[in-house]
Amino acid sequence: AQSVTQLDSQVPVFEEAPVELRCNYSSSVSVYLFWYVQYPNQGLQLLLKYLSGSTLVKGINGFEAEFNKSQTSFHLRKPSVHISDTAEYFCAVRRTGGFKTIFGAGTRLFVKA
Amino acid sequence: NAGVTQTPKFQVLKTGQSMTLQCAQDMNHEYMSWYRQDPGMGLRLIHYSVGAGITDQGEVPNGYNVSRSTTEDFPLRLLSAAPSQTSVYFCATMGQPASTDTQYFGPGTRLTVL
Repeated sequence: AQSVTQLDSQVPVFEEAPVELRCNYSSSVSVYLFWYVQYPNQGLQLLLKYLSGSTLVKGINGFEAEFNKSQTSFHLRKPSVHISDTAEYFCAVRRTGGFKTIFGAGTRLFVKA
Repeated sequence: NAGVTQTPKFQVLKTGQSMTLQCAQDMNHEYMSWYRQDPGMGLRLIHYSVGAGITDQGEVPNGYNVSRSTTEDFPLRLLSAAPSQTSVYFCATMGQPASTDTQYFGPGTRLTVL
């Protein structure tokens, strides 16, 4: 079985500062990894995904994530955040060839002016 | 192309009442699923379906029933609502069940059980 741990429940950061949201996963088989964003009162939308190949994945809105197999991590980064990035971010895992996606508990990002 | 739609957006029930949350998609996706979202717990899978006529349980199936008679629709039924079922419910779809596809989420239904 797979599991996901998001290490921070809340991350406050000032506008234009860099941010890293941390995600560790557990799996005995190969996996796909995802980051989703949820803006207030909305559903989830995909930010980026790692399927295979290059370990640095670029997504929408200037976000990127790096897959680290040895540390079983998939941390999300942005070099300069905006007020509009305030949202909840979910890391998720799915085993390759599977269809059940397991989500982390979420990290609430607050961007302050 | 509406994507994934959910109705209603909001619902208040009394303990013991029944209701059906509707989910519909127009993308011809084989895989559909229901999640519930609770503070600090992320999204937990309730039930899923890999095609019409095929459903299975997820992590938290108790108190919920599903059926999949068509590709487009995947309703979630609460037979006897309990306060513990107060949550936000999301329907999600994916093109092919075992693939690299992304899941697409509906806007959610916010359910309160008194």
